[in-house]
Amino acid sequence: EVQLLESGGGLVQPGGSLRLSCAASRFIFSNYAMSWVRQAPGKGLEWVSAIGSSGASAYYADSVKGRFTISRDSSNNTLYLQMNSLRAEDTAVYYCAKDSGEQDAFDLWGQGTMVTVSS
Amino acid sequence: AIRMTQSPSSLSASTGDRVTITCRASQDISDYLAWYQQKPGKAPKVLIYGASTLQSGVPSRFTGSGSGTDFTLTISCLQSGDFASYYCQQYDSYPLTFGGGTKVEIK
Repeated sequence: EVQLLESGGGLVQPGGSLRLSCAASRFIFSNYAMSWVRQAPGKGLEWVSAIGSSGASAYYADSVKGRFTISRDSSNNTLYLQMNSLRAEDTAVYYCAKDSGEQDAFDLWGQGTMVTVSS
Repeated sequence: AIRMTQSPSSLSASTGDRVTITCRASQDISDYLAWYQQKPGKAPKVLIYGASTLQSGVPSRFTGSGSGTDFTLTISCLQSGDFASYYCQQYDSYPLTFGGGTKVEIK
């Protein structure tokens, strides 16, 4: 079964760092762009970052630009999100999502990993 | 950034009702629009892409229409499993943006 499995969430203090991972299985990972999308408790969906299929291009929401870095490793079919200088407003469930092409709808989502930023 | 405005933010309906949700983009996005359904505690699931193309496996009671700036998601005959939140999303340009969501509740 095609799937995405996130890990790496947890409790972190304001100003701290965390790295999320998303393991992809049963599809050709290197053929598709990937994104991170988050959802604060009780709120709507917010796109965070995307990376092209080759890894050469990356895009960020203004709210995380300069603090978060997206990357991918096609040798082990894994997507990453390095999150630095974390703030309380970064508290959310973080989903990884597979693009159906290079800049298309998201046709596969992981189950999400919770990130809580609090002292 | 392209702003996506969804309405209503919530609605109450009964099984069998016809439900319409609208989404307006702040600029022309052609047909680069998707609709997602999300149930509590679960990841979103794509229903419609390209504004009107039904994702494989999604029931035909879901239809999408529109292009440019104005879009609509219609559920023709609401079923019990359709009570959920719905989001539109544009993928015309970065940053990608979602509408604020519509929660469909049982009347």
